[in-house]
Amino acid sequence: IVVTQSPATLSLSPGERATLSCRVSQNVVDNFAWYQQKPGQAPRLLIYGASSRATGVPARVSGSGSGTEFTLTISSLQSEDFAVYYCQQYNNWPLYTFGQGTRLEMK
Amino acid sequence: EVQLVESGGGLVQPGGSLRLSCAASGFTFSNYWMSWVRQAPGQGLEWVTNINPDGSNKYYVDSVGGRFTISRDNARNSLYLQINSLTAEDTAVYYCAKGGLKRSTPFDSWAQGTLVAVSS
Repeated sequence: IVVTQSPATLSLSPGERATLSCRVSQNVVDNFAWYQQKPGQAPRLLIYGASSRATGVPARVSGSGSGTEFTLTISSLQSEDFAVYYCQQYNNWPLYTFGQGTRLEMK
Repeated sequence: EVQLVESGGGLVQPGGSLRLSCAASGFTFSNYWMSWVRQAPGQGLEWVTNINPDGSNKYYVDSVGGRFTISRDNARNSLYLQINSLTAEDTAVYYCAKGGLKRSTPFDSWAQGTLVAVSS
């Protein structure tokens, strides 16, 4: 399974809406997750089951999609949201596959 | 609070070996799938291996080709990764990650990462 993230880099200003996408080469139903990684830190789970927020994730972060197309949306960017985001399929067990990442940078 | 604390990384010569450890607390370790994920410098995340709760089943990404061995000691709440025949391509930060009660679950907690650097 191949997971393709787009765009590679997204430049936005605080308060703007961010839309990140992932496409999977096979149907993974809703076995899909999103992670946030800040420099020098471990990844943090944001979204699982394609659309469920993990504990402590703010409501401005949402996930959608199923099958082969998935989207992470941050409705109004805060300074702490600028980071690298990875998507992951966990349907094709035991081979968990990550996307190559989207760098969300401040414009 | 879930805590995962790694140790064992460092600088190793090509062909050498290393054993990484991950000490878990704050949850019933023996009930959960556990994984190792690595990240080469400036690169993305790569799942490497995982192990089921009782340690009887282990799975590996093809690229590690029998050189890596995952294990766990549920009595000590600890996860391990033995890495042999190291090459420069194994240079990465290695993360221990907590899975779920079932096999197809994402990683809801991660350790801080330990750097393995392979160089002569």
